[in-house]
Amino acid sequence: DSGVTQTPKHLITATGQRVTLRCSPRSGDLSVYWYQQSLDQGLQFLIQYYNGEERAKGNILERFSAQQFPDLHSELNLSSLELGDSALYFCASSVRPSGVETQYFGPGTRLLVL
Amino acid sequence: GESVGLHLPTLSVQEGDNSIINCAYSNSASDYFIWYKQESGKGPQFIIDIRSNMDKRQGQRVTVLLNKTVKHLSLQIAATQPGDSAVYFCAENAGGTSYGKLTFGQGTILTVHP
Repeated sequence: DSGVTQTPKHLITATGQRVTLRCSPRSGDLSVYWYQQSLDQGLQFLIQYYNGEERAKGNILERFSAQQFPDLHSELNLSSLELGDSALYFCASSVRPSGVETQYFGPGTRLLVL
Repeated sequence: GESVGLHLPTLSVQEGDNSIINCAYSNSASDYFIWYKQESGKGPQFIIDIRSNMDKRQGQRVTVLLNKTVKHLSLQIAATQPGDSAVYFCAENAGGTSYGKLTFGQGTILTVHP
């Protein structure tokens, strides 16, 4: 158990809908990262937050957005969902935002868009 | 270096053998590397990391070797056990002290036969 928690574990929804994925980082970690894992693209970085501020952005679609709240939990919002958005979404956390910090991953949210 | 998860390499070994998993990374500016293990239905689990100023690092039953000249990383697992069966990912980070965007390799499926 990494100490990172994610809810829900599974999510099934329809095209065009909007969902929110939630992540709580390890105690003491200030930086949160979101990754998407799909069969054809592998594990891809989406976005990073540090202490409430966006720190780095990856291949995140405009339909997707995220935020980190004062209590350091983070939410990833996915809207106008398409079939191709079906994937595993992972949250990771680290103490500091730097690129030489170990990132610890949560168990993921499996999203299925029908 | 984007990850492509189409056809993962596989490695099949007998219990007790040593395993070597290889990874070619793409960014010569990357200065931090991590190996993760992912079991079915779970998030990536940290195994071992290495900074670019090192060429070898050892953990418990695992060793990571880094060859910056040819941009190659390897993970050696000693006395492989059935519980080591999983997908193994290398990840690189070029964010320095600024940000923590991990770029993942495609992964290697390790199967350990009793």
